[in-house]
Amino acid sequence: QSALTQPASVSGSPGQSITISCTGTSNDVGDYNYVSWYQHHPNRAPKLLIYDVSNRPSGVSNRFSGSKSGNTASLTISGLQTEDEADYYCSSYTASRTWVFGGGTKLTVL
Amino acid sequence: QLQLQESGPGLVKPSETLSLTCAVSGGSISSRSYYWVWVRQPPGKGLEWIMSFYYSGTSYYSPSLKSRVTMSVDTSKNQFSLNLNSVTAADAAVYFCARRPWNNWYFDLWGRGTLVTVSS
Repeated sequence: QSALTQPASVSGSPGQSITISCTGTSNDVGDYNYVSWYQHHPNRAPKLLIYDVSNRPSGVSNRFSGSKSGNTASLTISGLQTEDEADYYCSSYTASRTWVFGGGTKLTVL
Repeated sequence: QLQLQESGPGLVKPSETLSLTCAVSGGSISSRSYYWVWVRQPPGKGLEWIMSFYYSGTSYYSPSLKSRVTMSVDTSKNQFSLNLNSVTAADAAVYFCARRPWNNWYFDLWGRGTLVTVSS
């Protein structure tokens, strides 16, 4: 099972919006609306940001939003804040009844 | 509030067995509401799902690791363990335990991870 493809890094200034893409295949992202996104600050527990493509868990800021088109899912962070600087990972359920993650995207808030 | 805490040896020799434990506090590991999960992150790389299991014994494994992975549950200590045998340098990683709500396909709670180095 190949990892989902994410850009290695993205950057933005405070207040701006950024989008992180996550490209899979018709066996995962394209075939299931079970894409989730996680935020990971070093040495902390990863945090669920988005599940089932576009749903936010209780307590997650509405500055985080998710979408999907075909085999590519996207995470958008609006109104960037310095505390958003972290690594972001996408994940998808697959046709093999397994899970696959992306390689991760490092967000730098300039 | 439920918390997960991984623990392990830190250093394992090549060809030996890696054993990790995830202690669950603030909730029962026997809950019918959740699957329990292991995920790892090799240095400089992305996350890799290893396995999920349910209290009833139903388990799902990464095909690439299935032949080397076993797991166990200690309900008296409210913890579950991962054993990975015949380790190589490629198994060096931060290992996370996590929780997946039953009938859902995401991981809603994670531990902070424990680093495992493979070296003689």
